[in-house]
Amino acid sequence: EVQLVESGGGLVKPGGSLRLSCAASGFAFSSYSMNWVRQAPGKGLEWVSSISSSGTSSYIYYADSVKGRFTISRDNAKNSLFLQMNSLRDEDTAVYFCARWMSSVTPSGHWYSDLWGRGTLVTVSS
Amino acid sequence: DIQMTQSPSSLSASVGDRVTITCRASQGISNYLAWYQQKPGKLPKLLIYAASTLQSGVPSRFSGSGSGTDFTLTISSLQPEDVATYYCQKYNSAPLTFGGGTKVEIK
Repeated sequence: EVQLVESGGGLVKPGGSLRLSCAASGFAFSSYSMNWVRQAPGKGLEWVSSISSSGTSSYIYYADSVKGRFTISRDNAKNSLFLQMNSLRDEDTAVYFCARWMSSVTPSGHWYSDLWGRGTLVTVSS
Repeated sequence: DIQMTQSPSSLSASVGDRVTITCRASQGISNYLAWYQQKPGKLPKLLIYAASTLQSGVPSRFSGSGSGTDFTLTISSLQPEDVATYYCQKYNSAPLTFGGGTKVEIK
């Protein structure tokens, strides 16, 4: 079955750290760029970070709200995506989704997220 | 960074109505825009990419248009199963910003 499964969420105090994981199965994980997207309770979707299929630093991007605090990485041998979150703040409380970033065939040159995990809840609170 | 502004933030319409949602980019993004539907308690689902290309399996009552800074998502005949929040997302370059969302309800 083609799926993404996140883990690693939980309750953490402000200033603390967490490492999220996303396990991919049923598709050639190493061929796809990946994104992390979050959704605070009752709020909209917020893009967090992107990484290329190879994981090279030339294609790693972060939202301004997490730059310098979060680090995205991947292990293609283990079909896994990660998000290291440091210096967590109250406003980082959200469900964190990993999502496959797909390149379109027709028309070419376009991208979209066609596969999403169910998410893992991160709660930052004292 | 380019901001994505959706309007309205919510709307209520009757079954069978034509519904239009607008997404405006603060700078031109050509047609590098996708639309997603998120039903309550569910995952986001891709509806449209390249501003107007319907994803396979999405009902034809959904359509997208626009280029540059102004985009629209249209539901030609609103159905009860269309109750959801709709998001646009730009992807011409990072950051891959989402709009704030439009919540669609049945009147």
